[in-house]
Amino acid sequence: AQSVTQLDSHVSVSEGTPVLLRCNYSSSYSPSLFWYVQHPNKGLQLLLKYTSAATLVKGINGFEAEFKKSETSFHLTKPSAHMSDAAEYFCVSKDSGNTPLVFGKGTRLSVIA
Amino acid sequence: DGGITQSPKYLFRKEGQNVTLSCEQNLNHDAMYWYRQDPGQGLRLIYYSQIVNDFQKGDIAEGYSVSREKKESFPLTVTSAQKNPTAFYLCASSRTSGPTRRETQYFGPGTRLLVL
Repeated sequence: AQSVTQLDSHVSVSEGTPVLLRCNYSSSYSPSLFWYVQHPNKGLQLLLKYTSAATLVKGINGFEAEFKKSETSFHLTKPSAHMSDAAEYFCVSKDSGNTPLVFGKGTRLSVIA
Repeated sequence: DGGITQSPKYLFRKEGQNVTLSCEQNLNHDAMYWYRQDPGQGLRLIYYSQIVNDFQKGDIAEGYSVSREKKESFPLTVTSAQKNPTAFYLCASSRTSGPTRRETQYFGPGTRLLVL
């Protein structure tokens, strides 16, 4: 069965410093992987997705993620945090076939001025 | 503008009352989904529909019902049988959900349901 583990429930960084949000997945197949961002009381916005093409995926707002099959990881990074990056981030997995999305429990990113 | 709309933004339910949450999309997507979000638990799938007049239960369907009479609309009814309905409800859609597809799901802005 699929599962997604976000290793940190809360990450706090200073403005201008790098961001690392960690995600590990468990899947029988090579899944599609997504990162979504959610600002308070808003819906989820897609940041980026991996679907078995290039392992380094660039997304919106300067975020990127690297798919590492050997480590079953898909960590989200950004070189320099901005105050507007403060939000909840979800790592999501989907196998092929008629299977639903599997969500991690989320990581809340705080950015300190 | 293409997108997914959910209404209302906030909804209050009295004990024993059924309430219906609206979800409309003009993206011409075949598949639509309803999720429930509780603090610290991520999103859990309630129901999904791959095509008009067809829908399947997700992980937590008890106490909920849906219909899919039109491609663009997928309303969710929270019945009185749902004993803990207070949550943030998110609707999503994707182009398709067929056997080999890994289509991106796009989300609406959500409806927060509160019990009086």
